[in-house]
Amino acid sequence: AQSVTQLGSHVSVSEGALVLLRCNYSSSVPPYLFWYVQYPNQGLQLLLKYTSAATLVKGINGFEAEFKKSETSFHLTKPSAHMSDAAEYFCAVSESGNTPLVFGKGTRLSVIA
Amino acid sequence: GAVVSQHPSRVICKSGTSVKIECRSLDFQATTMFWYRQFPKKSLMLMATSNEGSKATYEQGVEKDKFLINHASLTLSTLTVTSAHPEDSSFYICSARVAVGAYTQYFGPGTRLTVL
Repeated sequence: AQSVTQLGSHVSVSEGALVLLRCNYSSSVPPYLFWYVQYPNQGLQLLLKYTSAATLVKGINGFEAEFKKSETSFHLTKPSAHMSDAAEYFCAVSESGNTPLVFGKGTRLSVIA
Repeated sequence: GAVVSQHPSRVICKSGTSVKIECRSLDFQATTMFWYRQFPKKSLMLMATSNEGSKATYEQGVEKDKFLINHASLTLSTLTVTSAHPEDSSFYICSARVAVGAYTQYFGPGTRLTVL
């Protein structure tokens, strides 16, 4: 069965600092991996996705993530945090196009001025 | 592209009444839609998978007679919370896949349900 673990329910960084949100997955087949962002009282917006092409994936708003099979990880990074990046971030995995996404518990990112 | 809308965005109802939430794919046809429930500061809990023209598949522990799901067209799925109770108060989010076998899910903006 597939699962996602997000290390750290809350991450706080200073404005301009590196953002690193951790995600590890478990899957019996090559996975498809996603990062979504959720702002308060809103739905989820797709940041980026890995679908077995390049292992380094670039997304919107300057975010990127690297798929590392040996570490079963798909960590999300951004070189320089902005105040507007403060939100909840969810990592998700899917094993096939016919099954729903399985989400991690989410990481709340706070950006300090 | 791939925009999903939900209506209403916020609803308050009395205990015992029923509430219908609509989920629409605006610029694509969605053969599969999903309904999630999200508690405060928690992750998304999948309630059911809705396939156009067939019965929804509910996750374990979700009462199908309480949460009625209808997917009558390729652009519309509805969730009806019947005989709502205060414990049904939550944030309900739908999502849709662009095509059969597509991995990416696009999410609606969510509906905040408050049952008094």
